Amino acid sequence: DVKVTQSSRYLVKRTGEKVFLECVQDMDHENMFWYRQDPGLGLRLIYFSYDVKMKEKGDIPEGYSVSREKKERFSLILESASTNQTSMYLCASRPLPSDRDAGELFFGEGSRLTVL
Amino acid sequence: GQQVMQIPQYQHVQEGEDFTTYCNSSTTLSNIQWYKQRPGGHPVFLIQLVKSGEVKKQKRLTFQFGEAKKNSSLHITATQTTDVGTYFCAALPFGNEKLTFGTGTRLTIIP
Repeated sequence: DVKVTQSSRYLVKRTGEKVFLECVQDMDHENMFWYRQDPGLGLRLIYFSYDVKMKEKGDIPEGYSVSREKKERFSLILESASTNQTSMYLCASRPLPSDRDAGELFFGEGSRLTVL
Repeated sequence: GQQVMQIPQYQHVQEGEDFTTYCNSSTTLSNIQWYKQRPGGHPVFLIQLVKSGEVKKQKRLTFQFGEAKKNSSLHITATQTTDVGTYFCAALPFGNEKLTFGTGTRLTIIP
């Protein structure tokens, strides 16, 4: 059974703290993604990674950074958490897409972050 | 940039009624995917549409891709309580590897 595992389901942090969200996939997928989900806004892409040590900005990268040192692991970092980063964070992975196939995204269970 | 509008945002239906959600893109798409997220869960892939005018069925769910490849719909016939959740489209423009998600339609069922 394929699996994307996020390290924490719930986190509470204070403004200014550094936050690490970890994501591990066991499917040997090249591509990995970080989304945030907010009511009424759907899923918005923060960063994605095509392969190890490669990263691309998504639609809302400000205030975030990422790390992909190993193929199976993609970390999201909030250098200095702010209250407007309170959200549900979803990690996803997919195999390499082809011309006709965008590739199914496999999501983790999500990490609900509250910044006080 | 790429915009994907999904309507309605919410839909409440009586059990047994039909349900439809629509997804519209500002640009022509290479393909489109649909996902379902149960309450408290994570999005799960339902289907991918690639061809202009394509129609695919999964039991009571019917997915359509518009002729111009700019819009798509998901129709559920005779809803059941197990259909509760939020349905998202995810659009892939030509020449782009980034999927853009719609805002989702949250379906609730009145028993």
